[in-house]
Amino acid sequence: GAVVSQHPSRVICKSGTSVKIECRSLDFQATTMFWYRQFPKQSLMLMATSNEGSKATYEQGVEKDKFLINHASLTLSTLTVTSAHPEDSSFYICSAIVLAGNTGELFFGEGSRLTVL
Amino acid sequence: QKEVEQNSGPLSVPEGAIASLNCTYSDRVSQSFFWYRQYSGKSPELIMSIYSNGDKEDGRFTAQLNKASQYVSLLIRDSQPSDSATYLCAVKESNYQLIWGAGTKLIIKP
Repeated sequence: GAVVSQHPSRVICKSGTSVKIECRSLDFQATTMFWYRQFPKQSLMLMATSNEGSKATYEQGVEKDKFLINHASLTLSTLTVTSAHPEDSSFYICSAIVLAGNTGELFFGEGSRLTVL
Repeated sequence: QKEVEQNSGPLSVPEGAIASLNCTYSDRVSQSFFWYRQYSGKSPELIMSIYSNGDKEDGRFTAQLNKASQYVSLLIRDSQPSDSATYLCAVKESNYQLIWGAGTKLIIKP
């Protein structure tokens, strides 16, 4: 399958600081990437859809000023958690669509575990 | 609201037996269905995709789709302890977003 690389895999930061997570498609171009958040023992929650060259589309209840998404190229999308607080501690996962005709399959990065102290 | 339902489990299956995971969905026009496996602390990985009614086999995995009854299932033959994970069912929206089930935790007992 397609390879999506996410970095960093783990990050610990102090409350009030900002953290940037990178998501790269290594062997294909991704016009659309998705950012998910997953709390322990819960399912994936879509945060936003990131489109190359345009503004991200955020899901209801997700603060766009807090979770900044930039998709400046066909192989890179970034998520910046600004002024992080302990309640932002979670597992953040990016994914990208690989299109094949009228269908598409979603491949995930390795995930980034954020701990805010 | 479009929904994807899964039994959260845990589903406990003896090693070597067949594990059967089920998923129902609410949107009758859905066309694309996926099963992902997620190990604890890891991100999901795609196991199977299915788009047509019937069975689709890949190694020890068989996906079954019944659009009339709006369910999709995943069978794992000759279950191994390494199959122990949470299995997520997902249904594709028209804009390539996925609607996710909550996942079924599968435990394969040696």
